[in-house]
Amino acid sequence: EADIYQTPRYLVIGTGKKITLECSQTMGHDKMYWYQQDPGMELHLIHYSYGVNSTEKGDLSSESTVSRIRTEHFPLTLESARPSHTSQYLCASVNSGTSGNTIYFGEGSWLTVV
Amino acid sequence: KQEVTQIPAALSVPEGENLVLNCSFTDSAIYNLQWFRQDPGKGLTSLLLIQSSQREQTSGRLNASLDKSSGRSTLYIAASQPGDSATYLCAVGETSGSRLTFGEGTQLTVNP
Repeated sequence: EADIYQTPRYLVIGTGKKITLECSQTMGHDKMYWYQQDPGMELHLIHYSYGVNSTEKGDLSSESTVSRIRTEHFPLTLESARPSHTSQYLCASVNSGTSGNTIYFGEGSWLTVV
Repeated sequence: KQEVTQIPAALSVPEGENLVLNCSFTDSAIYNLQWFRQDPGKGLTSLLLIQSSQREQTSGRLNASLDKSSGRSTLYIAASQPGDSATYLCAVGETSGSRLTFGEGTQLTVNP
């Protein structure tokens, strides 16, 4: 079973609030990702990191920011939430082993901005 | 830009049926392809990972095939069970790293 955790699982916040979604993994994986998924839609990569102090924007433009100060921790922050940020956010990490890149997902954070 | 398409978008079958889910991708220069399962309110669980050099992978009642040249993959589920009901996602890994491009998924319902 994968050891990747996201908090909070569910959150409702008001417009303009700052929110940080936490993601932690205890597997020592270098590569970590944030995906955004609207209900019934595909996942879109919004941020990724290949190691400490490495962060990149993904395929989908996002107003969120990320940081990677420690290997195990990859938080995502929205400085001023808007209703358009309402979505599910999925964190993932990758084990780049000899058998290929196995990706592990957290259970997701459901964010509703009212 | 890689595009991944899954057909059908939704599928409802009686228990015990064998079924096939389809995935197609536009750029055949892939590193690998993965099939995931997503349950409502949950994250994704990796089911099968196929490297670009492989043709298929099997795990229990699941069999995934890959045809890079035609840009297609199938997920075969044998003897379906109500517990198989979920959304199944296909994702393609790009050549240069581990970034995945996902399809929109197939929502499967297995009726008892």
